[in-house]
Amino acid sequence: SAVISQKPSRDICQRGTSLTIQCQVDSQVTMMFWYRQQPGQSLTLIATANQGSEATYESGFVIDKFPISRPNLTFSTLTVSNMSPEDSSIYLCSATLGGYNEQFFGPGTRLTVL
Amino acid sequence: SQQGEEDPQALSIQEGENATMNCSYKTSINNLQWYRQNSGRGLVHLILIRSNEREKHSGRLRVTLDTSKKSSSLLITASRAADTASYFCATDADQGAQKLVFGQGTRLTINP
Repeated sequence: SAVISQKPSRDICQRGTSLTIQCQVDSQVTMMFWYRQQPGQSLTLIATANQGSEATYESGFVIDKFPISRPNLTFSTLTVSNMSPEDSSIYLCSATLGGYNEQFFGPGTRLTVL
Repeated sequence: SQQGEEDPQALSIQEGENATMNCSYKTSINNLQWYRQNSGRGLVHLILIRSNEREKHSGRLRVTLDTSKKSSSLLITASRAADTASYFCATDADQGAQKLVFGQGTRLTINP
C-alpha cells in the first residue's frame, strides 16, 4: 500500500490569488493523479501528473489554471491559479503502485475562496 | 461526465441491519473499486473487483460485479454507527490509463 500526505489540509484564500498544494507519497508509485470534489459532489479527475513532463489534463481543465509538477516518483504539486469562489472544493491527490490495482488517496485539501 | 450512477443517493438504516448500495457504469472496465469517505475527508479504499470476478468479500463487505449488466453492488452486513459515510464506486473507464471515473455516491447513515 501507499501512504499519501497533502499540505495544506485546508486554506481560506482571497479571490485572484493562487495556492499550491503539495502531495507526498511514502513509496515509489507509477501514476499520480489530482481530483477535485466540489461541495456535495463526487470526484472529478483534473489531470494525470507525469514525472518530468507536462501533466495530461482532462476535458475542462487547463494548464494555465491548474499547473501541475511532478519532479520525481513520490512528489507532486497542484497550483490553483487566479482563484474565484467557484474553485472552492476539496482537492485530492492519488497514486497507484502499478498495474490495474487499487488507487490510494491523500486526505485532501479543503479550499475556500472568498 | 460521470460514468457511474449509484443508487440510492441516500440510505438510512438502523444499526445492525444490512446496507446495499448499487452502482452502474457505461463502458467496459478492467476493474471496479469501492471507496468510503467520512465527512469530506480523504477516500479510504475498501475493495477492488476485477472484470473477470463476480463476487468478492472483505470482512463485513461483499461486492458483486455483473459485467453483462454493467453493474455492481456493495453489501455491508451488520452495520455499525462507524459505517456512516459516503460510499463511491469508481471504474477505470480508459483502458491503459488507470484513470478512475467516480459514481455520484451513496450517503449512508446508520442510526443507533
